Amino acid sequence: AQKITQTQPGMFVQEKEAVTLDCTYDTSDPSYGLFWYKQPSSGEMIFLIYQGSYDQQNATEGRYSLNFQKARKSANLVISASQLGDSAMYFCAMREGRGFGNEKLTFGTGTRLTIIP
Amino acid sequence: DTGVSQDPRHKITKRGQNVTFRCDPISEHNRLYWYRQTLGQGPEFLTYFQNEAQLEKSRLLSDRFSAERPKGSFSTLEIQRTEQGDPAMYLCASSPRTKVYEQYFGPGTRLTVT
Repeated sequence: AQKITQTQPGMFVQEKEAVTLDCTYDTSDPSYGLFWYKQPSSGEMIFLIYQGSYDQQNATEGRYSLNFQKARKSANLVISASQLGDSAMYFCAMREGRGFGNEKLTFGTGTRLTIIP
Repeated sequence: DTGVSQDPRHKITKRGQNVTFRCDPISEHNRLYWYRQTLGQGPEFLTYFQNEAQLEKSRLLSDRFSAERPKGSFSTLEIQRTEQGDPAMYLCASSPRTKVYEQYFGPGTRLTVT
């Protein structure tokens, strides 16, 4: 089974609208972390936001928020007031366990977001 | 703080040749990671170092691949006898002691095998 599933290969959103990018995950480890990265056409992966499995509140970073629904094993990224510069590939990733030897990230296949002026 | 840098940005080689990529992490980041990203996929973990110690290697890292971080600063990834399945973007990331869960990526090295 896929550990990270992103079901939206591509999305088109009007500028200034909010957008939700879906991510579901699969793990049996009670301790894990969920991440979102942005990859513009230049290729560099840009860290956006992190949510730990024990965090009580949803993570927020500026216009980014992570809608964490633990029972559903979903970690959707919400971008408010989208901008043209938000056009990029977005990857959801997970780190399982804690401590040494549990630091690798497992990525989904990504969602290509295009913001329309 | 100049970010993670990788060299070269693009490498074209003939099948069967050896190639070596370099990664310079963010200063004072003690953890360094290598990932491989093929077209249309997310990055896949290859290996990671804490200081100079290589603590984990993926099964993707065949015998033709070797990574080093001799002084706990920069790292090299070598691929021997390149094959048709090796073309990809090779990404390096580093993370600091205080926020080990955050990995900061470099621009990557794109490998083309002719």
